[in-house]
Amino acid sequence: SYVLTQPPSVSVASGKTARITCGGDNIESKSVYWYQQRPGQAPLVVIYNDNERPSGIPERFSGSNSGNTATLTISGVEAGDEADYYCQVWNSYNDHVVFGGGTKLTAL
Amino acid sequence: EVQLVQSGAEVKKPGESLNISCKASGYTFTTYWIGWVRQMPGKGLEWMGIIYPGDSDTRFSPSFQGQVTLSVDKSVSTAYLKWSTLKASDTAIYYCVRHGRNLELIEFWGQGTLVTVST
Repeated sequence: SYVLTQPPSVSVASGKTARITCGGDNIESKSVYWYQQRPGQAPLVVIYNDNERPSGIPERFSGSNSGNTATLTISGVEAGDEADYYCQVWNSYNDHVVFGGGTKLTAL
Repeated sequence: EVQLVQSGAEVKKPGESLNISCKASGYTFTTYWIGWVRQMPGKGLEWMGIIYPGDSDTRFSPSFQGQVTLSVDKSVSTAYLKWSTLKASDTAIYYCVRHGRNLELIEFWGQGTLVTVST
């Protein structure tokens, strides 16, 4: 089955840029989705189709996907960005969603 | 506005059965796949499966195939997740989710239902 690998945690000083990676075999051939889950809340999508932002998501959030790694970039990190972030792809081989293990973002 | 409103928290004993629900509104229920995501305490997201209300076609994660049942009642725009025999390891928050038109994206999430299975 297809596996997505994320670092368990990323820490960045407030105002700086955070980069959260998502590794998968030839992931560039798939569309990648990113979800933010704040403590005690349901997840919400922050990036879809590798690099598109839903309405209401700040421009500080961006995505890229190349080779075996997709990356969520958050510029000018704020305290409110502290959350768990999950990458996701669709496994078309047997029609199901695959999530990465999640990354906890801490703003120092 | 799309809304997914889930049933309330449940406390059950191992071996018992359980049905939790998700009432959808704000869109045509029969034309979007709807499903469930599990989050065990302190852990990550696990996609369980989806059902297409139009014809009850289903897709399951290999990890959950045969472990749970998905169903819908089109007359009340509600999806259900059912266990026949609960285990302690089923303790988790279960999120109802609605996929987008392209199926790959999870567009909307319910508020979550906490299921606790304990003696």
